[in-house]
Amino acid sequence: GAGVSQSPRYKVAKRGQDVALRCDPISGHVSLFWYQQALGQGPEFLTYFQNEAQLDKSGLPSDRFFAERPEGSVSTLKIQRTQQEDSAVYLCASSLREISVETQYFGPGTRLLVL
Amino acid sequence: AQSVAQPEDQVKVAEGNPLTVKCTYSVSGNPYLFWYVQYPNRGLQFLLKYITGDNLVKGSYGFEAEFNKSQTSFHLKKPSALVSDSALYFCAVREANTDKLIFGTGTRLQVFP
Repeated sequence: GAGVSQSPRYKVAKRGQDVALRCDPISGHVSLFWYQQALGQGPEFLTYFQNEAQLDKSGLPSDRFFAERPEGSVSTLKIQRTQQEDSAVYLCASSLREISVETQYFGPGTRLLVL
Repeated sequence: AQSVAQPEDQVKVAEGNPLTVKCTYSVSGNPYLFWYVQYPNRGLQFLLKYITGDNLVKGSYGFEAEFNKSQTSFHLKKPSALVSDSALYFCAVREANTDKLIFGTGTRLQVFP
């Protein structure tokens, strides 16, 4: 695939359930980002990986949120004990290099609805 | 702290007319500025970016943006709007030596026939 892919595209979870969201970045891209987009808002930064290293997790809203990228490629964002306020679109982005001028290319997102 | 403002929630323009979507920013260092477009149930699609050099940046689908340092603005423009340009547009800023993009709240562009 040429672009960033994410799965599932839609997820409905009951409050308290754990969910895992997957991101496949563009092949060879060093940097990977997760963003959260609430309804009617712009995306907000969650966390950043350079290869397998998580260099910034300052945007994760609580310790229920956990992200990993063990082999420096695919990444998973896990949310434990989901709450209704976690309902949002979760966007993954990747960029070729780790420098600030690089363009981030976004996937289609996973729309999470917590009931 | 970095921030981006998109002062208009919605912009309406007739097809064939020029369009402008406004964006202002605030950073403490050199800004890297980006415009993305989002269609329904789709991710963000990159349009253009300003890094350095010429203040007028040309991007995809006939869009361009003008960087104005004194006014801290980076407005998106297109000389002749198409109905298919109707979408949600996001301005974003990234400061040098940082990792995250800071997004505005978005502007919904509606182009009517």
